[in-house]
Amino acid sequence: QVQLQESGPGLVKPSETLSLTCTVSGGSIGSYYWSWIRQPPGKGLEWIGNIFFSGSTNSDPSLKSRVTISLDTSKNQFSLKLSSVTAADTAVYYCAREGRSNSGWFFDNWGQGTLVTVSS
Amino acid sequence: QSVLTQPPSVSGAPGQRVTISCTGSRLNIGAGYDVQWYQQLPGTAPKLLIYGNTNRPSGVPDRFSGSKSGTSASLAITGLQADDEADYYCQSYDSSLSGSRVFGGGTKLTVL
Repeated sequence: QVQLQESGPGLVKPSETLSLTCTVSGGSIGSYYWSWIRQPPGKGLEWIGNIFFSGSTNSDPSLKSRVTISLDTSKNQFSLKLSSVTAADTAVYYCAREGRSNSGWFFDNWGQGTLVTVSS
Repeated sequence: QSVLTQPPSVSGAPGQRVTISCTGSRLNIGAGYDVQWYQQLPGTAPKLLIYGNTNRPSGVPDRFSGSKSGTSASLAITGLQADDEADYYCQSYDSSLSGSRVFGGGTKLTVL
């Protein structure tokens, strides 16, 4: 069973860049999409973006200009950078693996999540 | 505002059957893209409950079932139990938003 673990600072100042890493264990990072998803306190899930093992990326249009997702296959890790953060970016951030269905994708393995607070 | 619309809350008594709806459009569910469902217990990460509209991952009880028709999908839970009390989210793909996976706003299930 693959396991995912997020890591990174829990507090980021406004206007700075949020940086998180997801370490994948128990399986290879190859042949899958790997996603970042966030959940503001008391609110619903929001997909941020993903990266394929080849390095190609997608992201939600509302965040696209601020999001960078990268992959380090040698370390079995992928990372998220979100620039110019504001208080609205305060959320629990999850990393997840995507599985493929006949006509779509689903998140079959999730990290436990890490709370990132944006505050001075 | 979420691309997929769910009722904010549903409730039912132990042993009853409840359904949670997920309404999309011709750009996502109506375009033929699969719908997934996730259960999120308080303070935990979401867990995949249904994928590909109707399929249950190993370990998910058959009390949980999914269906899809047109631009909508539904999650049904039969034999309601106290530990089913959680937030439930639907998820699909939207062709108008390049590469975008989209979620519903979530439904809080209360077991009375």
